[in-house]
Amino acid sequence: QQPVQSPQAVILREGEDAVINCSSSKALYSVHWYRQKHGEAPVFLMILLKGGEQKGHEKISASFNEKKQQSSLYLTASQLSYSGTYFCGTAFLTGKLIFGQGTTLQVKP
Amino acid sequence: NAGVTQTPKFRVLKTGQSMTLLCAQDMNHEYMYWYRQDPGMGLRLIHYSVGEGTTAKGEVPDGYNVSRLKKQNFLLGLESAAPSQTSVYFCASSYSLPAGGQETQYFGPGTRLLVL
Repeated sequence: QQPVQSPQAVILREGEDAVINCSSSKALYSVHWYRQKHGEAPVFLMILLKGGEQKGHEKISASFNEKKQQSSLYLTASQLSYSGTYFCGTAFLTGKLIFGQGTTLQVKP
Repeated sequence: NAGVTQTPKFRVLKTGQSMTLLCAQDMNHEYMYWYRQDPGMGLRLIHYSVGEGTTAKGEVPDGYNVSRLKKQNFLLGLESAAPSQTSVYFCASSYSLPAGGQETQYFGPGTRLLVL
C-alpha cells in the first residue's frame, strides 16, 4: 500500500525548480505532503483532496490527479531552506496514513 | 501546549530485552500513530489508534504491541527486542480522520532505539 515516490534524490542549485511525484496503486482520498529536516520530525506542508486540486505554500505547490492516482509537488525558485526529505502520505478511510519512501532534496548555493 | 512528546529520546537494548515507548499528546486528538523510520524505507506505519481503547495494525506490526488506555497516551511495546528493530520511532496524532482532507498529523521528536 506504500505510495511510490520519484525521484529518490534531487540535487539543485539555488533558484532552480524541481518536481517530486507520488503514485499509488490504491484509490486516494487525500494526499498529504511533509518535509523532514535531518534529525528532526516531519513537518506538514499541505493536504490535497481528490478533484485535481492544486495548493500552494510559499513557492511550493502541489497537484492531485485522481485519474492517475498521482500527486506532484512543485518547488520553484528553490532556496537553501528547502533542503530535506519530502514525504507524500496517502490517507485511507480506516484512519491509516501511509507514507512513501521519501525524496531527498539538496539545494546548493 | 507541549504538543506530542515521546519518552525516552534514546535507548540501547540488548537482544531479547523488552521496553515500552511512551507517546503523549495534549491536544485532545482522537487519532494516534506509531511509525518507524529506516534509511531508504521512509516512514512505515506500525500500529495506530482511532480512539481511546482501540488499536489497529499498520503495515509492519510484527514484534510490536500497543495500548491506548487513556486518550492522551499511546504506548508501543517491544516484548523481545531484535537487532532488526533498531530504528527511529515517531509518534504522531491528529484530531480527526486524515482521509477527510482537513487534518494533518503532528509528529513527536522521535525515539532512537539501538538493539545490540
